[in-house]
Amino acid sequence: GENVEQHPSTLSVQEGDSAVIKCTYSDSASNYFPWYKQELGKGPQLIIDIRSNVGEKKDQRIAVTLNKTAKHFSLHITETQPEDSAVYFCAAGGGADGLTFGKGTHLIIQP
Amino acid sequence: IAGITQAPTSQILAAGRRMTLRCTQDMRHNAMYWYRQDLGLGLRLIHYSNTAGTTGKGEVPDGYSVSRANTDDFPLTLASAVPSQTSVYFCASSVASGGADYNEQFFGPGTRLTVL
Repeated sequence: GENVEQHPSTLSVQEGDSAVIKCTYSDSASNYFPWYKQELGKGPQLIIDIRSNVGEKKDQRIAVTLNKTAKHFSLHITETQPEDSAVYFCAAGGGADGLTFGKGTHLIIQP
Repeated sequence: IAGITQAPTSQILAAGRRMTLRCTQDMRHNAMYWYRQDLGLGLRLIHYSNTAGTTGKGEVPDGYSVSRANTDDFPLTLASAVPSQTSVYFCASSVASGGADYNEQFFGPGTRLTVL
């Protein structure tokens, strides 16, 4: 089955700086790579996703890059703001049995 | 109802008791999923259903069962709860699963279950 590794587990950045979270996956058949944001006491919410036929995708301050050869993908958040503080999960999938999630990154934005 | 609802919000349960966590979606999504979330372990798939009438096992299915009698509902049952099943449980759904139709999974608000 798929195995997803996510780093770092905790990331603290100054407000206004950029944050990068990295994930690797094992199954070359995976073709869908979403990123979820989870705020305290709530369910995860999709913030951006990328499919294997695309190398990069951007949505305002958030971007995701995918390297299929190396089997890794990254989330980039620029100009971080206090409301970006949350737990972020990467995931990989594309088969019929759902997504495999990374263990999460607790992003802390320091004022 | 809008999106996915889960019930109960939280529950404290004695070990050995039977418990059913409810999940209902009103988006007419074909695929539904159950995950458990534990600190440091992220989200792990328990069971899934690609369409009404079918179910499959995820990464951690032992001690859990599911049914999918219709499109909207996907209950998760713990036949005889044990303390290691203490966790936060999330139900999710997506339009479809697999291949080019793979789509965003929408998550419910979660059920916090404590087994004593």
